[in-house]
Order: sequence, then C-alpha cells, then structure tokens
Amino acid sequence: SQTIHQWPATLVQPVGSPLSLECTVEGTSNPNLYWYRQAAGRGLQLLFYSVGIGQISSEVPQNLSASRPQDRQFILSSKKLLLSDSGFYLCAWSRGRSYEQYFGPGTRLTVT
Amino acid sequence: ELKVEQNPLFLSMQEGKNYTIYCNYSTTSDRLYWYRQDPGKSLESLFVLLSNGAVKQEGRLMASLDTKARLSTLHITAAVHDLSATYFCAVDIRKETSGSRLTFGEGTQLTVNP
Repeated sequence: SQTIHQWPATLVQPVGSPLSLECTVEGTSNPNLYWYRQAAGRGLQLLFYSVGIGQISSEVPQNLSASRPQDRQFILSSKKLLLSDSGFYLCAWSRGRSYEQYFGPGTRLTVT
Repeated sequence: ELKVEQNPLFLSMQEGKNYTIYCNYSTTSDRLYWYRQDPGKSLESLFVLLSNGAVKQEGRLMASLDTKARLSTLHITAAVHDLSATYFCAVDIRKETSGSRLTFGEGTQLTVNP
C-alpha cells in the first residue's frame, strides 16, 4: 500500500530564516506530487505540482520554491521566510493521470 | 479562473437532524471530491464523483454531482457528534500535462451538538 510522509510535523522559524520541508511517498512510482498551503480557518491553496523528476510548476508567485530531486521526494524551500508564510503545509500525491489526491499528515509552520 | 463556493461556511446542528452542504463551481468539470478535515489534522477523502448524476453514500453522508448545474451536494442524515469536522469540496480541472489539479472551496465547518 502507498504511504506519504512529511517532516517535520511542526516548525517555528524566525522571519528571514530559510525553510526546507520534505515529503516522500512510498509504494508507488512516478506519482504526481503537490504542495498546498492552508491558512488558519481557510481552504487549501495549490502552491506547486510536479509530474516528474525535475519538473515543477508554480501556481502562485511567492518567495517559496519546490524541487523534486528523486521520483518520490518533493521538497518545499524558502531562502527567507516571511510572516505571511505561516500556515499548514500539505503534500499530496496522485497516480499520474488518475483522479484522486492523497494527502500527507502536514507540517504546521509558524513564522515569528 | 475557476471559483469553488461552498455554503454554508459554518453549520451548527443538533444530533438527529438532516442538512445539506452545497458546492457550486464556475467552470466545466466532471470530477469533484469531498474531503473531511478534523482540527489540526490532514484531509481524509470521503467521496470521488466522476460523472454527471453520480451519487455515493457512506454511512450518514451522501454526495451527489450535477455537472450541468455545476453543483454538488453533501447530505447529512441524522447527524451525530462524530461528524463534527470541516468539509471541503474540490473540483478537478484536468490538464494533460499535469494530471489531477484541484481547486478547493473554503470549507464548511460543521458542529453537531448533543
């Protein structure tokens, strides 16, 4: 069966510090991968998606970036965090052109 | 730009009552998903609706899709406290190069009171 992992689970970082969040998927190959952000009490906003190694598409302009160094690894990064980057970050995967997205446990980021 | 609107955004109901959550979307799609989120947790998939007229039921929840009206409903029957959570609908605008791409509604925060 497939599982998706995210770490860390929670993170508190000062403004201006760098960020690296990691997502890995097990039990499948060549998944589509997604990063979402959820602000408190709001819906999910798609940040990035990837259909393969090194292929990243950005949905919204921001100071975040994403990378996919391996087939089942997806990384979200920032060189300098802003207060507005606080939120709940969710990674998801889907089977290629299949339909359903499966979500990881999430990382709660607080920028102070 | 695709817009997905849920209503109500907040719903407080008594145990045993019935209610419906609505999800309207602004562009053509024949794929819609319902997710549940408990406080501080990730999203759990509830229903996948893949065609016009699709209806799915699980326990006290039933979801339907009308692609012509661009409307999905999530009906709650005889609510129980355990159903308290936030419910999201998400519409899939598929592109050949990207596979599944979801736009989420703002969510409906459901509280079921004893």
